[in-house]
Amino acid sequence: NAGVMQNPRHLVRRRGQEARLRCSPMKGHSHVYWYRQLPEEGLKFMVYLQKENIIDESGMPKERFSAEFPKEGPSILRIQQVVRGDSAAYFCASSPTDGASGNTIYFGEGSWLTVV
Amino acid sequence: KNQVEQSPQSLIILEGKNCTLQCNYTVSPFSNLRWYKQDTGRGPVSLTIMTFSENTKSNGRYTATLDADTKQSSLHITASQLSDSASYICVVSAMDSSYKLIFGSGTRLLVRP
Repeated sequence: NAGVMQNPRHLVRRRGQEARLRCSPMKGHSHVYWYRQLPEEGLKFMVYLQKENIIDESGMPKERFSAEFPKEGPSILRIQQVVRGDSAAYFCASSPTDGASGNTIYFGEGSWLTVV
Repeated sequence: KNQVEQSPQSLIILEGKNCTLQCNYTVSPFSNLRWYKQDTGRGPVSLTIMTFSENTKSNGRYTATLDADTKQSSLHITASQLSDSASYICVVSAMDSSYKLIFGSGTRLLVRP
């Protein structure tokens, strides 16, 4: 049973370009989460999605960032017009239910974005 | 404000020794507390999960404790191994949004031979 798969693992973008990060949840998981880890900081919640629905995007910057989890295919985190401050590790996680009551939430290996 | 604080920030121990990591939180209403291990450049891996009614949970050489009254948790590592070198992160969820994990900054553990 493959874990949470993220790609690319490393991505370099120039300021102003777009970054697309992909996440395939574990088999049978319909709940996907994105977290961001800035250098020397803890992970911060960005967005929670179920198939075709955004449940909670309260942690996502209002501009330039968007996320989707289509009926078919991986979840996508899209960052438009990247700036140096977007340089971070972006982690995707998944769970079979909504993570309540102590259900395990599994993380991918992360996508490291560097903006130059 | 919901926060998770960990101590110490970093720790060096000799292989074979035990250690205890601390976590204090102000998350309310409390739902559950998790400990994750994160190797450098990798994603977090779940070690333990505890809900309000649990005060201890073990996973091999890892034992987590929870005191929901004082809002404190600890992670005890027994007979440390070189592969235990990693960051250990305390993660708490609130009842009204238990899918939203609130991460501490972690304790960076280095096990030396």
